Amino acid sequence: QQPVQSPQAVILREGEDAVINCSSSKALYSVHWYRQKHGEAPVFLMILLKGGEQKGHDKISASFNEKKQQSSLYLTASQLSYSGTYFCGTERSGGGADGLTFGKGTHLIIQP
Amino acid sequence: ETGVTQTPRHLVMGMTNKKSLKCEQHLGHNAMYWYKQSAKKPLELMFVYNFKEQTENNSVPSRFSPECPNSSHLFLHLHTLQPEDSALYLCASSQGLAGGGTQYFGPGTRLTVL
Repeated sequence: QQPVQSPQAVILREGEDAVINCSSSKALYSVHWYRQKHGEAPVFLMILLKGGEQKGHDKISASFNEKKQQSSLYLTASQLSYSGTYFCGTERSGGGADGLTFGKGTHLIIQP
Repeated sequence: ETGVTQTPRHLVMGMTNKKSLKCEQHLGHNAMYWYKQSAKKPLELMFVYNFKEQTENNSVPSRFSPECPNSSHLFLHLHTLQPEDSALYLCASSQGLAGGGTQYFGPGTRLTVL
C-alpha cells in the first residue's frame, strides 16, 4: 500500500524551514527518504528503522513514529540546493527483499 | 566506476521492436531492483532479485522480462511495448538480506515507445 505524502508541494525562501510528512496505514519496518532533481536519479538521504528513531545530518533530519506509522523529514535553514522532489519509500519487512513502496513525492522549490 | 550504471540512457523504440535495458552495480550488493517512473506517478516497483533469484514480480505485464545472470548485472528485456510504457526506468541495488534495505539508484533509462 502506497504511503501518503504531504504536502504535495512547498515553495520557500532560502533560509526558511520545511517539514514533509509520510504516513502509512500498514505496519512498517523502515522508512527511506530520497531527493530527486529533475532529470536525475533519486539520491538516498536517510533510512529510519522501526523502534522509533530520529536521524540527521547537516540541516536535514527525520523522525519515525512507529505507533502512528508516520515519518517526517525536517529541512532547516533551507538552501537553494535543497530544491527537488522528496520521496519517502517504505518497507514492510527488512532486508530489501520486498523493494520499496514510494509515495507520490513532495515538490520543494527554494527561491533566493 | 560509479555505483550503479545503466545503459542506454535514452531509448526510442517502436511497438514491434525488441530491446534490452542493462544495469550494472559496482557496490558488491546482493539485491537488485527495477522501478518504473512515469510522469505524475510515484516510483513503481517492478521486479526484485535477491542473490540472483527473483523474489518479487509486482504484477508486471509479460512484455517486460527481467534477467539477472549474476549479482552485479540486471537486464530488462522489452518486446511489443505500448506507448503507455514510455517512462523512466530506474535500476537500484542494495545489500539485501545481508545488510539492510538502503537502495542506491542508477541514472535511469528514458524510454519512449512510438
